[in-house]
Amino acid sequence: ETVLTQSPGTLSLSPGERATLSCRASQSVSSTSLAWYQQNPGQAPRLLIYGASSRATGIPDRFSGSGSGTDFTLTISRLEPEDFAVYYCQQYGSSPPQLTFGGGTKVEIK
Amino acid sequence: QVQLVESGGGVVQPGGSLRLSCAASGFTFSNYGMHWVRQAPGKGLDWVAFIRYDGSNKYYADSVKGRFTISRDNSENTLYLQMSSLRAEDTAVYYCAKGPGNYMDVWGKGTTVTVSS
Repeated sequence: ETVLTQSPGTLSLSPGERATLSCRASQSVSSTSLAWYQQNPGQAPRLLIYGASSRATGIPDRFSGSGSGTDFTLTISRLEPEDFAVYYCQQYGSSPPQLTFGGGTKVEIK
Repeated sequence: QVQLVESGGGVVQPGGSLRLSCAASGFTFSNYGMHWVRQAPGKGLDWVAFIRYDGSNKYYADSVKGRFTISRDNSENTLYLQMSSLRAEDTAVYYCAKGPGNYMDVWGKGTTVTVSS
């Protein structure tokens, strides 16, 4: 089973700053199988990025994803107030078919 | 618009059973795979199960294999999760989500399952 490790656990930043979130896999992950989600308190998760770098419908272009192999990054270019939330990466493995999530990174207001 | 509404959560004793439902609307349900994902109180996301668009293949997390069964009724636009032999560690908010096998693009608001005596 592929384990995803997200870092840092908590990121303290101010509105307008750039956020860089890391997701490291215990073994190589296909880029088509890496996604990022945002979750605000008390709400369901929302898909941000799929295929490592493709933005989901309606997601602002300040969100971008990159990476390959075992290292993936979610970047928020300029933090808006609504971006302070928890972010999860997720991967799909085909043998056997299983999906796993990272432990999450909380982006909080500094 | 695309909408997923879960129901069926509640309080159940350890060893008991519960069936969750997820009513889908706003898209052609029979064309899409569906997932169940759960989140224990204060914890991260935990994938539970996936079913292909036609129900031909079903996949489960190791933690629920043999205890949970995912199914769907495409004529009723409804997804199900039959849960049995429930344990305290199954306590969570259960979300249904639409998507291909490798990610989830639309999520419901969730239904809460509490396993406690």
